Amino acid sequence: SQQGEEDPQALSIQEGENATMNCSYKTSINNLQWYRQNSGRGLVHLILIRSNEREKHSGRLRVTLDTSKKSSSLLITASRAADTASYFCATDGGNAGGTSYGKLTFGQGTILTVHP
Amino acid sequence: GAGVSQTPSNKVTEKGKYVELRCDPISGHTALYWYRQSLGQGPEFLIYFQGTGAADDSGLPNDRFFAVRPEGSVSTLKIQRTERGDSAVYLCASSLMGVGANVLTFGAGSRLTVL
Repeated sequence: SQQGEEDPQALSIQEGENATMNCSYKTSINNLQWYRQNSGRGLVHLILIRSNEREKHSGRLRVTLDTSKKSSSLLITASRAADTASYFCATDGGNAGGTSYGKLTFGQGTILTVHP
Repeated sequence: GAGVSQTPSNKVTEKGKYVELRCDPISGHTALYWYRQSLGQGPEFLIYFQGTGAADDSGLPNDRFFAVRPEGSVSTLKIQRTERGDSAVYLCASSLMGVGANVLTFGAGSRLTVL
């Protein structure tokens, strides 16, 4: 079953604009990750944020995490046509003892289209 | 290898047939995962291996699905008596440690179509 919901389901912007995608989840987590997928095939890891972190940056990516609201956002600044893809958030809740081992629960994704 | 390799990339079969999907993880990665992705959905967890053993198979939908990793490297996902509802992209991933904050490296997937 899907843990979270992503918003919006689809986003269309012009090159150079910023893109913001949101993710909500339901249960407690150890960390939250964002992945990118081109053409419905393999996923590529973008960034991981731990439950005790509130914000993280990587290049043009900025991720925030609000555990009190069970939500995260991914901001892509100065978007490029090559950023066109589907973006998924994935939560790692760990096992009953709280140990994470990569069992991720993915949202349904946001389809981002960046027009040149 | 340099990445996670999955074969075949596409498989078309008839309802009721048996199917095997293969995953060759990144060399040295002890953790291996299978996920399934239906059209328009995010991937769903099927099974996790730490070394040769299936440490968590809670995502396998029923007993028609089985996976092995006999030597702690290559894994095979086996589906018996396939049904049309099994049609999906089956994704394999591996990670270095398997415990802690894991970053998964995914393969390109095997697209299964059951007619």
